[in-house]
Amino acid sequence: DAKTTQPNSMESNEEEPVHLPCNHSTISGTDYIHWYRQLPSQGPEYVIHGLTSNVNNRMASLAIAEDRKSSTLILHRATLRDAAVYYCILRLSNAGGTSYGKLTFGQGTILTVHP
Amino acid sequence: NAGVTQTPKFRILKIGQSMTLQCTQDMNHNYMYWYRQDPGMGLKLIYYSVGAGITDKGEVPNGYNVSRSTTEDFPLRLELAAPSQTSVYFCASRLPGVNTEAFFGQGTRLTVV
Repeated sequence: DAKTTQPNSMESNEEEPVHLPCNHSTISGTDYIHWYRQLPSQGPEYVIHGLTSNVNNRMASLAIAEDRKSSTLILHRATLRDAAVYYCILRLSNAGGTSYGKLTFGQGTILTVHP
Repeated sequence: NAGVTQTPKFRILKIGQSMTLQCTQDMNHNYMYWYRQDPGMGLKLIYYSVGAGITDKGEVPNGYNVSRSTTEDFPLRLELAAPSQTSVYFCASRLPGVNTEAFFGQGTRLTVV
């Protein structure tokens, strides 16, 4: 499975934008890039995903490099509630194999948001 | 909708005891998963199921068993609890397809002493 590399931790101030990077230099053409986050004492929750184009939703934006070897999760205005561990995960498309949606979690990036 | 519900939330077991962690989802999802998370680490897949009657091992299945008799329920069984099984356990579910998100339960914190 292709692996991802994320910084161990990042800090931000409230109401400022946050850019969380993820390197995935061995990504294959059928890998989707998914982001989940885990708030303290909770299960992970889905944030966003994409394949090649940049994506936006109500929670965040995902910027994907043209060569797809890296991506950046963008929180436009961090709030205290965004303090969490953020996981960047690659998912095989069903057409590319039989991953059955299994998610392989790394250690993620611990985001601290200062008031 | 309740989503994914796990019970119990907390449990202390003695070495050698057995227990079942319950997981149920009300979203009619075919795929269900059990993960464990040790302190400061990411989640590791224990077992997964792609439908009723179908289960398969994940990355760390030793010491655990599962069954999937219905679409809604996916219990995880610990037969002979060991201190190494002290962890937080998460159940998740999703629909098939590359554009579907996984929904996680709130977790069961298990301590084996």
